[in-house]
Amino acid sequence: QSVLTQPPSVSGAPGQRVTISCTGSNSNIGSGYDVHWYQQLPGTAPKLLIYTNNNRPSGVPDRFSASKSGASASLAITGLQAEDEADYYCQSYDTSLTGPEFGGGTKLTVL
Amino acid sequence: QVQLVQSGSELKKPGASVKVSCKASGYTFTNYAINWVRQAPGQGLERMGWINTNTGNPTYAPGFTGRFVFSLDTSVSTAFLQINSLKPEDTAVYYCARDFASVPYYFEYWGQGTLVTVSS
Repeated sequence: QSVLTQPPSVSGAPGQRVTISCTGSNSNIGSGYDVHWYQQLPGTAPKLLIYTNNNRPSGVPDRFSASKSGASASLAITGLQAEDEADYYCQSYDTSLTGPEFGGGTKLTVL
Repeated sequence: QVQLVQSGSELKKPGASVKVSCKASGYTFTNYAINWVRQAPGQGLERMGWINTNTGNPTYAPGFTGRFVFSLDTSVSTAFLQINSLKPEDTAVYYCARDFASVPYYFEYWGQGTLVTVSS
């Protein structure tokens, strides 16, 4: 059981906007620790998608954005495309586990 | 460009050991932490811990103490994960990931993963 809670799955039609939540606590996001997001396409290694709450590495489309508020964070994907179908993971430092922990992951299905 | 290239798939019997390598290139190896991540079949990502590439000091996440050993060979910019006394539940893909910083912050670059299968 992860200290960061994500919905197991979300779905959306092409062109739509979807959001993925990441709920933490006072031992991680709620204490001000940064949140990062990863995308894992089927059969491939994870890839950094968003770092330090809302920054995109070079090459990540601006359709991907993220925000943080209180003890939660969220990833938003606009203009959904078929190639966005993947697993998405949030990550934040947790003081009780003394390291950057992953959320349980969310499977995005593009209908 | 930064690259992490891991060793190939392994099939091992219960009780054996396995050593996975992660060869880095394209940057100064000793300036950034190397993290290890496990992904069991159909499951999410689990942080195993990290190794300080400057001092060689490993730090293991809860649940990964005892049988898991992180090490380095800085002369060839390579990190290693050794798992001893393998159990069937160790069957997973193991990833190395270079951090953004010299201590864990976020995992900026990833290896391609190494599948370790433990079966009699």
